[in-house]
Amino acid sequence: DTAVSQTPKYLVTQMGNDKSIKCEQNLGHDTMYWYKQDSKKFLKIMFSYNNKELIINETVPNRFSPKSPDKAHLNLHINSLELGDSAVYFCASSPPGDFSDEQFFGPGTRLTVL
Amino acid sequence: AQSVSQHNHHVILSEAASLELGCNYSYGGTVNLFWYVQYPGQHLQLLLKYFSGDPLVKGIKGFEAEFIKSKFSFNLRKPSVQWSDTAEYFCAVNARNAGNMLTFGGGTRLMVKP
Repeated sequence: DTAVSQTPKYLVTQMGNDKSIKCEQNLGHDTMYWYKQDSKKFLKIMFSYNNKELIINETVPNRFSPKSPDKAHLNLHINSLELGDSAVYFCASSPPGDFSDEQFFGPGTRLTVL
Repeated sequence: AQSVSQHNHHVILSEAASLELGCNYSYGGTVNLFWYVQYPGQHLQLLLKYFSGDPLVKGIKGFEAEFIKSKFSFNLRKPSVQWSDTAEYFCAVNARNAGNMLTFGGGTRLMVKP
């Protein structure tokens, strides 16, 4: 059973296109996240979301938007893709309440923008 | 805002050698500290975490880390590495007022020679 799953695993697309990456967790967690890992393996938080609050890292362009149809899903929509968006995107989730809890990561989606 | 520094970007060791990876963070308030590991082609997995109590924390696979508050450090150690420890290691911190969003260090790539 996969705890946090992402689709697709690989995504290759042209500049200017709009694309989405899906994330689902079956852990019953309340909070989900999106992280971006660049070519140098540097990991950066993009969003934190639960049913009450969306927290956005201020460095994230507004071309990126999270959409949550329900508590188990947090999809990432990207408009007008740029070359610099090429990266591996990781979804994660954590249980409600105590901020000391670990986050569980998905397998990642490697996005390549040509 | 908090930040995390990992001083060693690349480490190469022979099997059975001892390992210590440095991690320093900057934040004046209450934080939790984590070490995650990313094996080649895989997602991040939690090695260990510290949120209170004994500053010496033991994790999976023989890893441990020591939280030294006065030095703002959380160094990762293992007395004897194995070839299977070859991976990227990330130190991370979250703060009570940051929505549980993790701030990661730049990562340390460990290669263990058989």
